[in-house]
Amino acid sequence: DGGITQSPKYLFRKEGQNVTLSCEQNLNHDAMYWYRQDPGQGLRLIYYSQIVNDFQKGDIAEGYSVSREKKESFPLTVTSAQKNPTAFYLCASIISYNGNQPQHFGDGTRLSIL
Amino acid sequence: QKEVEQNSGPLSVPEGAIASLNCTYSDRGSQSFFWYRQYSGKSPELIMFIYSNGDKEDGRFTAQLNKASQYVSLLIRDSQPSDSATYLCAGTHGSSNTGKLIFGQGTTLQVKP
Repeated sequence: DGGITQSPKYLFRKEGQNVTLSCEQNLNHDAMYWYRQDPGQGLRLIYYSQIVNDFQKGDIAEGYSVSREKKESFPLTVTSAQKNPTAFYLCASIISYNGNQPQHFGDGTRLSIL
Repeated sequence: QKEVEQNSGPLSVPEGAIASLNCTYSDRGSQSFFWYRQYSGKSPELIMFIYSNGDKEDGRFTAQLNKASQYVSLLIRDSQPSDSATYLCAGTHGSSNTGKLIFGQGTTLQVKP
């Protein structure tokens, strides 16, 4: 089945630790996005990538890093510089960033601090 | 700051009634608008999208767009308890070709049996 797979579903981070959230899609979509959602809030854009080996900061990129070495993969690292990482992280992709296409989401990763 | 505004609710309607969810946006360059449904603890799923002024119907759902008033709405007819969820409104980010969306904070809908 085609889709967007995020792993793990739950993740716990210790103080001073970097953690990486995985996002893989087999939809052959060009663009991929990472969002953070806090309780009772909408989605805020962390990073996005329109093509392989290129990515752009979103509205809340501080304390996060990404890579896009393959079209199907867009991992997000939450670094120790992110002091309030507890949130629901959502990865999305879109078939083409040109034109007004809907984004489709993975199932999300819930990150908590130990 | 380009924004999409929604009333957080909760909006409570009886089963079988019409639920009306509203959204306003500040970016006049936004071309398309999307409604996502999000159940508690789950990821958003696309319900409808609209890019032309007027109404667009899909089953029990009707999306309405008024670009002059910068207003988007979603009507849910014959509301069911299974429609109880948070509904997120999103608009494309201006005229730039990035695929970026601006999300509202969501409206919680409660459909009471």
